[in-house]
Amino acid sequence: EIVLTQSPGTLSLSPGERATLSCRASQSVSSSYLAWYQQKPGQAPRLLIYGASSRATGIPDRFSGSGSGTDFTLTISRLEPEDFAVYYCQQYGSSQRTFGQGTKLEIK
Amino acid sequence: EVQLVESGGGLVQPGRSLRLSCAASGFTFEDYAMNWVRQAPGKGLEWVSGISWNSDSIAYADSVKGRITISRDNAKNSLYLQMNSLRAEDTALYYCAKSQIGLWEPIDYWGQGTLVTVSS
Repeated sequence: EIVLTQSPGTLSLSPGERATLSCRASQSVSSSYLAWYQQKPGQAPRLLIYGASSRATGIPDRFSGSGSGTDFTLTISRLEPEDFAVYYCQQYGSSQRTFGQGTKLEIK
Repeated sequence: EVQLVESGGGLVQPGRSLRLSCAASGFTFEDYAMNWVRQAPGKGLEWVSGISWNSDSIAYADSVKGRITISRDNAKNSLYLQMNSLRAEDTALYYCAKSQIGLWEPIDYWGQGTLVTVSS
């Protein structure tokens, strides 16, 4: 099973700032089969990024993903008030699809 | 509009069984792989199981293997999760989730979930 470790656990920033979230895998993620999801309280998750760097339909271009192998990053270039939420990475390249434990992005 | 509506959750005693259902609409159900993902109260996401469009490929998380069976009925646009020998650690909100296309694809739509509580 591929273990995904996200850091930091909590990130405190202000609107307008840049956010950088990390996801590290215990072994290489096949073909960059890595996705990022956003979840707000009381809501289902929403797909942001797939294939490590492709934005899902309707996702603003302030969200970008990068990385390969074992190290992946989600960047939010300029935080909007609605971006404060929990973010999860997920690998879907192995039979055991796994999620990271999440990074909470909170308003400073 | 893609809609996924889960049902079948509730309070169940340890060791008992429960069957979850998911009614899909707004897309051609038989063309897409489907998944179940759960979230324990106040915790993160855990992928549980996935099934290909024609049920030929099925995958389970190690934590549920042998106790849970995923299935689908394309004629009824429905996804199911049969859960046996339930444990307290199975307590969670269970989401029905659609893959982008195939089983080796990310999840692009989620239902609102059905809550399963395992307790005596």
